Amino acid sequence: RKEVEQDPGPFNVPEGATVAFNCTYSNSASQSFFWYRQDCRKEPKLLMSVYSSGNEDGRFTAQLNRASQYISLLIRDSKLSDSATYLCVVKRAARQLTFGSGTQLTVLP
Amino acid sequence: NAGVTQTPKFQVLKTGQSMTLQCAQDMNHEYMSWYRQDPGMGLRLIHYSVGAGITDQGEVPNGYNVSRSTTEDFPLRLLSAAPSQTSVYFCASSSTFRQGDRAYDEQYFGPGTRLTVT
Repeated sequence: RKEVEQDPGPFNVPEGATVAFNCTYSNSASQSFFWYRQDCRKEPKLLMSVYSSGNEDGRFTAQLNRASQYISLLIRDSKLSDSATYLCVVKRAARQLTFGSGTQLTVLP
Repeated sequence: NAGVTQTPKFQVLKTGQSMTLQCAQDMNHEYMSWYRQDPGMGLRLIHYSVGAGITDQGEVPNGYNVSRSTTEDFPLRLLSAAPSQTSVYFCASSSTFRQGDRAYDEQYFGPGTRLTVT
């Protein structure tokens, strides 16, 4: 079983739609959680950290459920520029990150 | 700041050849790491370093060596290239800081090196 699992998609949604991505992790000792965004043939970039209380950054909302070992990302009012692969990332210790294989999103005009 | 730079951007090697992928950062970050990304596999950690003179193995270290003689540079050496090492290689650096009760730790990635081994 992979340490971080994501639905690979692809998710194809119309502009303005709300889309949610889910992620599960297997190591209960995981300390920190993130969503990274990766555009085609580019490097990953941090989208947002995920905190236990849940957090929001504009149209993006991240949630963490430590009991279920589950992380989610909600994107509201999707834009064409949101098209990318979204990587669920978990940190255990010594800044070692474990990446999910990513969920591909295409926002259609 | 240039951030994290990697050279070369593209490379084709024949099986058995050796080469060094270069990585440099100008943010004075103590932590640096190398990942490889293969289709459907996500990024996997090859080696990492928590500071100059200190390196350690990640998830997939076989066939690769690293050294960290300065804070800025973290080269990755392929000792004897194999087709299984065909991949995209990303170097990253990070530093942690606290603001109130939250810790912030963002990894900055270089643009990647696309390596093909024939």
